Amino acid sequence: QVQVVESGGGVVQPGGSLRLSCAASGFIFSNYGMHWVRQTPGKGLEWVAFIRFDGRNEYYADFVRGRFTISRDNSKNTLYLQMNSLRAEDTAVYYCAKEIYGDYRGELVYWGQGTLVTVSS
Amino acid sequence: QSALTQPASVSGSPGQSITISCTGTSSDVGGYNYVSWYQQHPGKAPKLMIYDVSNRPSGVSNRFSGSKSGNTASLTISGLQAEDEADYYCSSYTRISTVVFGGGTKLTVL
Repeated sequence: QVQVVESGGGVVQPGGSLRLSCAASGFIFSNYGMHWVRQTPGKGLEWVAFIRFDGRNEYYADFVRGRFTISRDNSKNTLYLQMNSLRAEDTAVYYCAKEIYGDYRGELVYWGQGTLVTVSS
Repeated sequence: QSALTQPASVSGSPGQSITISCTGTSSDVGGYNYVSWYQQHPGKAPKLMIYDVSNRPSGVSNRFSGSKSGNTASLTISGLQAEDEADYYCSSYTRISTVVFGGGTKLTVL
């Protein structure tokens, strides 16, 4: 069955970096765009970034543009989120999720369980 | 990009119907039919309940339905059940090729 599993979260100091990974299985990874979404503890969902199925285009929320980079390795069925210049307000659970169809619609099916990123000194 | 506007909370009794609204602008909800709804139980990942305004993924109960009028989308849950108690979020594709979520609505089944 379809599965996406995030990893790489942890505690990092302000200004630090972290790379999240998302291992996908159960579907043809190279056919689908993928998203990162975050959720601050006790609060709502925030879309972070999207990458096309072939990795040729990336899209970002304003609050992470220039600091975060989404990428993918279709040979490894893995999605990444490189997070630099981290701030306290980036503290959240980060989810990866599969786009429902091959094109970019922003409709997310199959979410992972999330990985917690805590930015604190 | 501002978040879509949802009521903070709604409630209903078992068997009743409730509707959650999601208001955006012509740059998101009103401009595209890529409106989705997600259910999230405490400590769990969100689950897609409605996509393309009114379509249900396989396995989602037909008690859940979606619609849109102008810049406002709506999620209706009929025959309310205790297991429906959860947070619900809407989302939309936007004119600037991003995705925007609503602030979330807590559904309480009385």
